[in-house]
Amino acid sequence: QVQLVESGGGVVQPARSLRLSCAASGFTFRTHAMHWVRQGPGKGLEWVAFISWDGSVKYYADSVKGRFIISRDNSRNTVDLHMSSLTAADTAAYYCVRDLSEKYSFDYWGQGTLVTVSS
Amino acid sequence: QSALIQPASVSGSPGQSIAISCTGTSNDIGGYNHVSWYQQHPGKAPKIMIYEVINRPSGVPDRFSGSKSGNTASLTISGLQAEDEADYYCSSFTSSNTWLFGGGTKLTVL
Repeated sequence: QVQLVESGGGVVQPARSLRLSCAASGFTFRTHAMHWVRQGPGKGLEWVAFISWDGSVKYYADSVKGRFIISRDNSRNTVDLHMSSLTAADTAAYYCVRDLSEKYSFDYWGQGTLVTVSS
Repeated sequence: QSALIQPASVSGSPGQSIAISCTGTSNDIGGYNHVSWYQQHPGKAPKIMIYEVINRPSGVPDRFSGSKSGNTASLTISGLQAEDEADYYCSSFTSSNTWLFGGGTKLTVL
């Protein structure tokens, strides 16, 4: 079965950096694009970033462009999100999400890892 | 990039039908058939219910259906059941190569 397990969340001070990682299993990772989606406390979903199956194409939400970098390692079945210049507005649960191939939607979600930006 | 517009809440009695709307622009919903819907129970990760406007993934009951007209998409749930009570989010791909979500709709089964 498809499993996506996020790690790396925690409490971080404003302006600092943090790296999230997602370990994928139960499917052929190298054939699927991946996303990160976040959800602030008591708030709705916000798409954050996309990476194509081979890592050659990356898209970002305006709110994180220039601060966040998405990457993947198809040999290790992992996708990372490097976050820098963090602010309180980045406080959220971050979900690793599999792309439903060529359907522009999100078919499998991890359980999320919580990032809290606070001094 | 503003979020897609959804009603904050809808409600219905068991067995009834409800519809949740999701309004965007010609740069997202109106320009593509890349609209999807997600169900989220409290404390849980979202679950895909509809993709490409009208398609149901395997395992999703046929009580759930999707449609689109112009810049507005809709999710209809017929024969409401208690377990349908949850938050529902729409999503669309956009002309900027990004994805937008709606603000979410809380469905209450009375």
